[in-house]
Amino acid sequence: DGGITQSPKYLFRKEGQNVTLSCEQNLNHDAMYWYRQDPGQGLRLIYYSQIVNDFQKGDIAEGYSVSREKKESFPLTVTSAQKNPTAFYLCASSLLAGDDTQYFGPGTRLTVL
Amino acid sequence: GQNIDQPTEMTATEGAIVQINCTYQTSGFNGLFWYQQHAGEAPTFLSYNVLDGLEEKGRFSSFLSRSKGYSYLLLKELQMKDSASYLCAVNSWGKLQFGAGTQVVVTP
Repeated sequence: DGGITQSPKYLFRKEGQNVTLSCEQNLNHDAMYWYRQDPGQGLRLIYYSQIVNDFQKGDIAEGYSVSREKKESFPLTVTSAQKNPTAFYLCASSLLAGDDTQYFGPGTRLTVL
Repeated sequence: GQNIDQPTEMTATEGAIVQINCTYQTSGFNGLFWYQQHAGEAPTFLSYNVLDGLEEKGRFSSFLSRSKGYSYLLLKELQMKDSASYLCAVNSWGKLQFGAGTQVVVTP
């Protein structure tokens, strides 16, 4: 089955700790994206990658970091510098960057205590 | 700046029709997407419009007017499983800008 997987579904961390959220896709898509979703707000773009070994900041990149060493994988690290990290994090991918439809993973709900 | 507006919530009866409007002001436009999202789950793709007019896909249709910065998603023959949030997203310079979503509540 082709798709996008994110793990874990729920994640709890203490304040001040870094945490890495995983995102894997076997759709052979070039582009991958990370979004954050908060109640009452639209999805906001954190980082995106159009191709392996390249990534760009989105609208709210501060306090986050990413890597794209493999086409299939685009992990997101939420650092202690992120002031309000509790949120629902969604990873997406598209065949090509730009105009293509984005397909989403199931999401990770991060709660920082 | 970017601005995408859609109503917060709509309620309709099973079997009825509901129209969800989306207005947008973006610096670039290269298509508009509609996604459905059930609570705690991933958004799933419903439709894409890049030219003016109506796109029909089963019980769901989506309309676009680029000159008016306006789109709507039409849900016909509503079913209980259609209770979800519906997200409008504009492709602006290759990146998606999302509205806050419209929560549709279908009642028996």
